[in-house]
Amino acid sequence: DTGVSQDPRHKITKRGQNVTFRCDPISEHNRLYWYRQTLGQGPEFLTYFQNEAQLEKSRLLSDRFSAERPKGSFSTLEIQRTEQGDSAMYLCASSLVLSGLNTGELFFGEGSRLTVL
Amino acid sequence: KQEVTQIPAALSVPEGENLVLNCSFTDSAIYNLQWFRQDPGKGLTSLLLIQSSQREQTSGRLNASLDKSSGRSTLYIAASQPGDSATYLCAVSSNYQLIWGAGTKLIIKP
Repeated sequence: DTGVSQDPRHKITKRGQNVTFRCDPISEHNRLYWYRQTLGQGPEFLTYFQNEAQLEKSRLLSDRFSAERPKGSFSTLEIQRTEQGDSAMYLCASSLVLSGLNTGELFFGEGSRLTVL
Repeated sequence: KQEVTQIPAALSVPEGENLVLNCSFTDSAIYNLQWFRQDPGKGLTSLLLIQSSQREQTSGRLNASLDKSSGRSTLYIAASQPGDSATYLCAVSSNYQLIWGAGTKLIIKP
């Protein structure tokens, strides 16, 4: 399977614990995006990378959230000291963009569902 | 600020009917518009991408149109099938990110 893969698919944790999600994009894609989605809503932008550089981070993202893409390939999204309001589906997407602000065509993974008890 | 609206929020039609889903956006300065499908509890599947310079794209029974000047896109589904039941989302590409509609939940009744 050469699509975007995310791991784990589902994570249940207690409030206050740290969680980490991993995303493996399509191999030749240079852009990688993280989104969050709650039930009945469209995805909410969190952050994106161009290769290994994190170029934009949503103002909605608190300092408990951090994302990395150390070698320009896979990415991790870590949430520290989880709160019940963090419960959501975390979606990763990748695209190939040569330059500029165009997003290109985004391809999404199946998502990682977080439940904070 | 770009805003994307999808109407209706939900739609239920008998199998075999042709149908149209609507997407409108407030700022015509977009790079592209993408339609996605989402099944319950799943990720998003890209259906069609229309570049800002294009008027429509077709894939099988799906046809998407784009009218930038009026800020509208439609997704036409021909000969609907129960397997088409899902939520359909449109998103416009604007300044490095996608701006999303809330989606239209489609139910095709056998």
